[in-house]
Amino acid sequence: GQQVMQIPQYQHVQEGEDFTTYCNSSTTLSNIQWYKQRPGGHPVFLIQLVKSGEVKKQKRLTFQFGEAKKNSSLHITATQTTDVGTYFCAGRVYNQGGKLIFGQGTELSVKP
Amino acid sequence: DGGITQSPKYLFRKEGQNVTLSCEQNLNHDAMYWYRQDPGQGLRLIYYSQIVNDFQKGDIAEGYSVSREKKESFPLTVTSAQKNPTAFYLCASTTAGGIREQYFGPGTRLTVT
Repeated sequence: GQQVMQIPQYQHVQEGEDFTTYCNSSTTLSNIQWYKQRPGGHPVFLIQLVKSGEVKKQKRLTFQFGEAKKNSSLHITATQTTDVGTYFCAGRVYNQGGKLIFGQGTELSVKP
Repeated sequence: DGGITQSPKYLFRKEGQNVTLSCEQNLNHDAMYWYRQDPGQGLRLIYYSQIVNDFQKGDIAEGYSVSREKKESFPLTVTSAQKNPTAFYLCASTTAGGIREQYFGPGTRLTVT
């Protein structure tokens, strides 16, 4: 079946270092969403990318959608302790309605 | 104050018992979803419903059942047939159109011993 692979599974960084998580889909996606889950919490929507090659920024976060609409990345510049949590990508496949396929998530820890 | 509520937050059951997890939303969303979250495996879709009185199996529906009698409610029953029911269960809802971002409830952590 369709899969979205996300790497790395864990990332430990020093505060101030950059962080990147990557997602790859086995099939072309109609769009991709990113979510953040704080420890002990529930996933919260961050952003959606729709267009091939799209790049969006939210303060220190940069999201990219690949030209083939099969991969995506989230890059955080100069991490802060408030960035701690698990970041999930979730791809929507054409003709599958509202169903999202979630990646396994990348757990980010930030050492002050 | 709109949102999704799940109850209870923690649930303990003995093996062999069915258990029903509650999910209620007052966001007037059409679609609702149940996910299971296990460490290192992300969110796996159990069941989803795009309209009242209709629902579809997700990727791991075996051992689970749902109903959607009201737009606001989408309860999930974990049956005794589910081989490994201990997990964190998340309910979500979305609008029918637009970005359709998923709004998640706080989750129910189920432990079966």
